[in-house]
Amino acid sequence: EAGVAQSPRYKIIEKRQSVAFWCNPISGHATLYWYQQILGQGPKLLIQFQNNGVVDDSQLPKDRFSAERLKGVDSTLKIQPAKLEDSAVYLCASSLSLSTGTEKNIQYFGAGTRLSVL
Amino acid sequence: AQTVTQSQPEMSVQEAETVTLSCTYDTSENNYYLFWYKQPPSRQMILVIRQEAYKQQNATENRFSVNFQKAAKSFSLKISDSQLGDTAMYFCAFMKHEDSGANSKLTFGKGITLSVRP
Repeated sequence: EAGVAQSPRYKIIEKRQSVAFWCNPISGHATLYWYQQILGQGPKLLIQFQNNGVVDDSQLPKDRFSAERLKGVDSTLKIQPAKLEDSAVYLCASSLSLSTGTEKNIQYFGAGTRLSVL
Repeated sequence: AQTVTQSQPEMSVQEAETVTLSCTYDTSENNYYLFWYKQPPSRQMILVIRQEAYKQQNATENRFSVNFQKAAKSFSLKISDSQLGDTAMYFCAFMKHEDSGANSKLTFGKGITLSVRP
């Protein structure tokens, strides 16, 4: 079974430029998450989708970050314009939306995109 | 709001020995889930073990086991017979139970770097 796919693996941009990250979740996973992981810290949720609807975007800096999940499958996270403090690893995760079973509550992660803002 | 604390930034263990990683959390919820994730240098988060708060029995997965103390809000991970491949960052994480059955976000600790010495 294919895992969560993310691209690109690395991105280097200058401040005030724009950047976009792409995520393809595991087939059949209705819930998709974007996390930001700053060096030396644990991941922090930016946005959570259930199919193509937003469940939680309370931690998303909406003045510069945007995300969409058209058709309830792939998702794109965009930063415009980027700031130095946006340097981090951006992790995408997906999960089945089940109330019971062994897969319940398990989030599967992609390898992430490491963003460096200079 | 939930918080997860991992106070040990680094630990080291000899191959084949046992090591315990500590985690404490704070929540007013009664129903929740706790996880340990492993993040090797490849950056991909891998689920190690999961515990449901309403289950008193400690979870085990092969060489990995937890000591879950609900009253003390403590959730430590024990790795037996440590192997070189266990070298990674380990994150403790909390997930609130949603009455709707939908999955919730993960709240992570800062992580601990574990080195297994040959």
